Amino acid sequence: GNSVTQMEGPVTLSEEAFLTINCTYTATGYPSLFWYVQYPGEGLQLLLKATKADDKGSNKGFEATYRKETTSFHLEKGSVQVSDSAVYFCALSKIGASSNTGKLIFGQGTTLQVKP
Amino acid sequence: NAGVTQTPKFRVLKTGQSMTLLCAQDMNHEYMYWYRQDPGMGLRLIHYSVGEGTTAKGEVPDGYNVSRLKKQNFLLGLESAAPSQTSVYFCASSPPATSGLYEQYFGPGTRLTVT
Repeated sequence: GNSVTQMEGPVTLSEEAFLTINCTYTATGYPSLFWYVQYPGEGLQLLLKATKADDKGSNKGFEATYRKETTSFHLEKGSVQVSDSAVYFCALSKIGASSNTGKLIFGQGTTLQVKP
Repeated sequence: NAGVTQTPKFRVLKTGQSMTLLCAQDMNHEYMYWYRQDPGMGLRLIHYSVGEGTTAKGEVPDGYNVSRLKKQNFLLGLESAAPSQTSVYFCASSPPATSGLYEQYFGPGTRLTVT
């Protein structure tokens, strides 16, 4: 079946450090891939997405590239800030299937804590 | 636009009690979803709806029922609450997948404790 695996957290970094959060997926066909972010006490917000192989999603300094050959969608940021402290979720959706319902399959989430 | 709203924000129930969680969206979205979030398990889909009057089971539907009588509202019911249903519940909505717009919009969540 379809699944998403994220690196275990929590991840603790100093401000301005480089961030990588690994995400790999298992899916048949060609899923769309997403990163969602959840700030403390809030719901999830879409951070970025990629809908086909080699697409790069980017937003707020975060980037992720859809790598079909390694079934990965790793999240990166060159210089993190304290305000980036949140939980990050990788997710996939099987767009294009005849019974498509837009359902998302989430990874378990990775907590990022950035210290000043 | 208020986006997706959820009522209530917090609730404590005793085992065996019932309750209904309300989700409302003002974006005219066709699709709506109910998830639960538990530590270390990400979000798991409980039930979803692809249009007014339709509902379907997700990954973890047991112990829950839903209704979508109006396009803008999606209700989640617990008929007989159990401690295993202690969780944070999120509602989300999205345009239909055929639109090519894939983003789900999430509400702020309802924190439910069953004692």
